[in-house]
Parts: sequence; structure tokens; C-alpha cells
Amino acid sequence: GAVVSQHPSWVICKSGTSVKIECRSLDFQATTMFWYRQFPKQSLMLMATSNEGSKATYEQGVEKDKFLINHASLTLSTLTVTSAHPEDSSFYICSAGSWDQPQHFGDGTRLSIL
Amino acid sequence: AQKVTQAQTEISVVEKEDVTLDCVYETRDTTYYLFWYKQPPSGELVFLIRRNSFDEQNEISGRYSWNFQKSTSSFNFTITASQVVDSAVYFCALSEALRGSYIPTFGRGTSLIVHP
Repeated sequence: GAVVSQHPSWVICKSGTSVKIECRSLDFQATTMFWYRQFPKQSLMLMATSNEGSKATYEQGVEKDKFLINHASLTLSTLTVTSAHPEDSSFYICSAGSWDQPQHFGDGTRLSIL
Repeated sequence: AQKVTQAQTEISVVEKEDVTLDCVYETRDTTYYLFWYKQPPSGELVFLIRRNSFDEQNEISGRYSWNFQKSTSSFNFTITASQVVDSAVYFCALSEALRGSYIPTFGRGTSLIVHP
């Protein structure tokens, strides 16, 4: 069964709306989670590293005010796309895993901004 | 810095053919992990294999096999007797200690299309 649950799997909303995506680790505690963005036919691009109890570490070029990450507990990290616009439409994937283990990925969230 | 190169963007084969997906990596670290993941059209990422930098033994799992060669910094993936269900995008990934966390870096992926 899935060890990382991501919700929702699909979102369609109007431009200007804020969208929250949840990533939950099941059966284990995740001090670190990763958020990726994937454009069609492209690779996964790391957006940020979510650290439980502290601020997320964003990759260069990722707007931290645009993509708010909160990791309030050892089992939940959230990504909020604020005031979303069509260019934010993408496939967002979270993952969790310890340093010596493969990443467990959520099933991803397809975000479409109209 | 770390880098993963999957030079093959797309491979098309006919069912039952063998196919090898190439992965070349760069790292300055002596301790690292290499992974392969499969992403079918539905989008979810499926873990296939993990290999640490100190274990160069090749591995076989059913129709899948992996060839890890540190001398050439390669971690190639071979599917024997391919099937239509193997059609997917395959990602090679590398993780090394960075800021206390092993953050995986993904290659661009190789899209495998298996025709019946």
C-alpha cells in the first residue's frame, strides 16, 4: 500500500485562486519531505525541501512567496500555490524518505489553472 | 554538484526485444545512492531499484537487470523481452549527502515505447 498519500490528485480552478496540496506520510515519520514540479515530458524539478518544524529550503528560482510550504508535523507537509495563474499549471509531486532509502512518492497532483 | 544524464530521450521497440536505458552520473562524493524509477502514463512514480556507491554487483530482478560501473560512472538498466506494459518514462536518480539530507537529483528521463 501507499506510504505517502498526496491530495488532491487533480485540481481545476480559476486564476487568482490559492490551492493547497497535502502530502502525508503513512506508517512512518518524515522529518524531511520534498516537493517537485514536473512539466509535460520533462523531468522532476525539485522546488523545495520541507523540514518539520522549520522553514522550507527553496531551490534557486522558486518563489517562496508564491509556493508556501508548511511542515507542521512529522506526517504532513503542505504546498500552497498562492494566487495561482495559468503558468502555474503543472504536475506537483511530493516525496519522503530517509537518507539511505528510496524516496516514497505521492501520486502527484495535476493542477490546472483556467 | 551532482548531475544525472539520460542521453536517450525516447526509445521505441517492438515487444519481446531487449532494451537498455543508459544513465551516466557525476558526483564528487564517495558515498551516494543511485535509483531507478518508473513513471507510467498515470503519473505515479514507482521505485525499481536502489544501489549504494560501494556495491557494484549487478542485479537481476525478473526481466529487469542493472549494470553499475563506477569506472564509467554509469548505472544502466536493461529490460529483457520487453512488454507493452513496460511503456513508461524511466528516471535515473542520484542522491548524495547535501546539507545533511540526501536530496535526489533526477535525470531527464527516457520514454520507452513498446509496440505490440
